[in-house]
Amino acid sequence: DTGVSQDPRHKITKRGQNVTFRCDPISEHNRLYWYRQTLGQGPEFLTYFQNEAQLEKSRLLSDRFSAERPKGSFSTLEIQRTEQGDSAMYLCASSWVLNSPLHFGNGTRLTVT
Amino acid sequence: GIQVEQSPPDLILQEGANSTLRCNFSDSVNNLQWFHQNPWGQLINLFYIPSGTKQNGRLSATTVATERYSLLYISSSQTTDSGVYFCAVYGGATNKLIFGTGTLLAVQP
Repeated sequence: DTGVSQDPRHKITKRGQNVTFRCDPISEHNRLYWYRQTLGQGPEFLTYFQNEAQLEKSRLLSDRFSAERPKGSFSTLEIQRTEQGDSAMYLCASSWVLNSPLHFGNGTRLTVT
Repeated sequence: GIQVEQSPPDLILQEGANSTLRCNFSDSVNNLQWFHQNPWGQLINLFYIPSGTKQNGRLSATTVATERYSLLYISSSQTTDSGVYFCAVYGGATNKLIFGTGTLLAVQP
């Protein structure tokens, strides 16, 4: 069990640029989640996958955000035309099945200047 | 949707003191987890405890599902216990973990 891995740890980008984050879940975990956390708040749900199927998306996930999980393994989260309001910590988590414990990665901290 | 409230919002302790953090939730739950977020932002699993009591070293947790609350006990606190403690639940019609607002704990030497 190598844990959930996220890359990069930090990303600084200029407004209007596109960014992509990667998450590698724990290998036997079928469910993968993306959360966003801003300063002083708890993590907020963005989307989740069961294997390669994206089953739910939050209203927080505007049309500038897209997530994929090809072949049910790693996942990517892309933000197009970044805005300053996108600055946050983006957290990935995985779990084995529904209702089993979630395990979080260390997150990607995005700063949009 | 399900609501998760934590108290107190902030807590300052002297090293060696004990504390109790509370999590109230508005609906029945299938999963409840306690996390510690350290100053570097890392979310660390403390307990998976949809019901009952568990202990891990100086920490223990109790969830009373029928009364819709959970408690996290920290005994003999240490400065490394500082950070934010989150309660998070799966429940109702949700297929995702919903987080509470957290308790910010500062343990002073």
